[in-house]
Amino acid sequence: KQEVTQIPAALSVPEGENLVLNCSFTDSAIYNLQWFRQDPGKGLTSLLLIQSSQREQTSGRLNASLDKSSGRSTLYIAASQPGDSATYLCAVRVEGGADGLTFGKGTHLIIQP
Amino acid sequence: DAGITQSPRYKITETGRQVTLMCHQTWSHSYMFWYRQDLGHGLRLIYYSAAADITDKGEVPDGYVVSRSKTENFPLTLESATRSQTSVYFCASRYKTGDEQYFGPGTRLTVT
Repeated sequence: KQEVTQIPAALSVPEGENLVLNCSFTDSAIYNLQWFRQDPGKGLTSLLLIQSSQREQTSGRLNASLDKSSGRSTLYIAASQPGDSATYLCAVRVEGGADGLTFGKGTHLIIQP
Repeated sequence: DAGITQSPRYKITETGRQVTLMCHQTWSHSYMFWYRQDLGHGLRLIYYSAAADITDKGEVPDGYVVSRSKTENFPLTLESATRSQTSVYFCASRYKTGDEQYFGPGTRLTVT
């Protein structure tokens, strides 16, 4: 069974810092990996999707990398802002088995003004 | 562009009652999904559908029923609600294999 782990569970940094969120998964047989943002009491907003054949994806200040063979992904946030405060979720779509995503429990990020 | 809508957004029901959560998407996406989100467990897949009239179980399907008679709708029914089904329920959709999933705003369900 695929398991997704996100480290750290919580992170608090001053505004302006660059930061890295980590995601690891136990089974490297994945179609793709998706990073989401969730604000309190809200739904999930898709940030980046990386296909299994890709190494990284970028969107604005966000950069996500994927090392499929080692079962790791990182989300890099440049020049953090208070508006980046949210919970960040990593999810993988596994080859075979049920369709849908397997999620980590998230990293709760606070950017201090 | 309405995207995915869920109704109701909040629901309180009693143990043993039947309750249906609605999900509607305007994109004509083929794939639709139901997840529940609980503290300590994260998001878990309940059911999914690859097209109208095609549904399949996810990780935690017990106590739930789904149907998909139209591409745009994917209702989730709790046949006899239990307290353990108190959760936030999210509907999601995807256009085709390999695409990203898009999530609705969620329904917060409390079973008393």
